[in-house]
Amino acid sequence: QLQLQESGPGLVKPSETLSLTCTVSGGSISRSSYYWAWIRQPPGKGLEWIGSTIFYSGRTYYNPSLKSRVSISLDTSKIQFSLEMNSVTAADTAVYYCGRDSRVGYYYYMDVWGKGTTVTVSS
Amino acid sequence: EIVLTQSPGTLSLSPGEGATLSCRASQSVTSTYLAWYQQKPGQAPSLLIYGASSRATGIPDRFSGSGSGTDFTLTISRLEPEDFAVYYCQQYGGSPPMYTFGQGTKLEIK
Repeated sequence: QLQLQESGPGLVKPSETLSLTCTVSGGSISRSSYYWAWIRQPPGKGLEWIGSTIFYSGRTYYNPSLKSRVSISLDTSKIQFSLEMNSVTAADTAVYYCGRDSRVGYYYYMDVWGKGTTVTVSS
Repeated sequence: EIVLTQSPGTLSLSPGEGATLSCRASQSVTSTYLAWYQQKPGQAPSLLIYGASSRATGIPDRFSGSGSGTDFTLTISRLEPEDFAVYYCQQYGGSPPMYTFGQGTKLEIK
């Protein structure tokens, strides 16, 4: 059974770079139908898609509102994918989830999620 | 960006009752790109419905999804205690294409 696990610092200082890793177990990250995504949820608020990447074509897609500050990459040798977000502010404080972004035929959905990791931006 | 508006914000019902949750899009959404998720406190969201009306693996048949274009509905026919949670709709589309989520509907015990 595919499982995802987020890891990274729980506290980041304002203006610095947030770096998170998602480790995938129980499956491959190189199949053509699957993208790998980051989603976040500020405290008490809703969900926001950050971006998705795919091994098959090497393409990555970002939320336009975050695109200038975000980078998502894949490491197939470690079966991991990562998120970097620079110039963080308190507004970036959130639970960050990694997930599998399945695009099977005409169907798009996120069917596997990590448990989430809380990141607080504070000095 | 396609904005999804969910209603009501909070729905108070009793176990055994039926629930109807609405998701309205600011422009037409391709049905195969519309999904519903359930989130319980302290947990990650979990997929309930994809393609507007297909239940995800292991989801009981009391959950059903319907709709097309700009109006989509999640129906729970007979509420069980474990169904009280927050529900989000999600779509992929717009220009440039991206995922957006509704703001959520909280289903609480009356």
